[in-house]
Amino acid sequence: GAGVSQTPSNKVTEKGKYVELRCDPISGHTALYWYRQSLGQGPEFLIYFQGTGAADDSGLPNDRFFAVRPEGSVSTLKIQRTERGDSAVYLCASSLSPDNEQFFGPGTRLTVL
Amino acid sequence: QKEVEQDPGPLSVPEGAIVSLNCTYSNSAFQYFMWYRQYSRKGPELLMYTYSSGNKEDGRFTAQVDKSSKYISLFIRDSQPSDSATYLCAIQSGYGQNFVFGPGTRLSVLP
Repeated sequence: GAGVSQTPSNKVTEKGKYVELRCDPISGHTALYWYRQSLGQGPEFLIYFQGTGAADDSGLPNDRFFAVRPEGSVSTLKIQRTERGDSAVYLCASSLSPDNEQFFGPGTRLTVL
Repeated sequence: QKEVEQDPGPLSVPEGAIVSLNCTYSNSAFQYFMWYRQYSRKGPELLMYTYSSGNKEDGRFTAQVDKSSKYISLFIRDSQPSDSATYLCAIQSGYGQNFVFGPGTRLSVLP
């Protein structure tokens, strides 16, 4: 079956703009995670959804970052007033439940000029 | 001190060599230990998962956990060029808790 998909694969934007990154998890997976990976670093946890609700958003760096998962499937990560330091690969992962293997998507490479 | 530390490499070995990759962690509350492989411009994929001290083997891969030393290892036997990737350790403190990843070790297996 299909894996986790993320769109767009690449996004270039200007400082101060608003961006939305989309994640389509594996069908039936109730848990969904967002991570940010900077060059040469491991993924850094941002937020975790169980169903429609954010079970843990402790990794969001500040209030410019927000994520939603309104129907418990697709999720959107939203970044307002982008800064150059937001440039990174944003990874999404999903799992059947929180104690199961997380399957990662290919990521969205965000570049803020 | 970072929660999870890992030698970033790069590590280059000849084909057929035994590879040893290591991570140390600082929080004794961590209970679940994973190794992920990440190819360039791809998402990480799970290789090994364990929650207890000792060894776990899967084909050419062996994961080793020493909770008393807060040290985990991944061994790759008979390494292949297709093993060339970045290897990330990830640690979880409990059910439903988020993962903490190490920075990854970049491995090149030369034919």
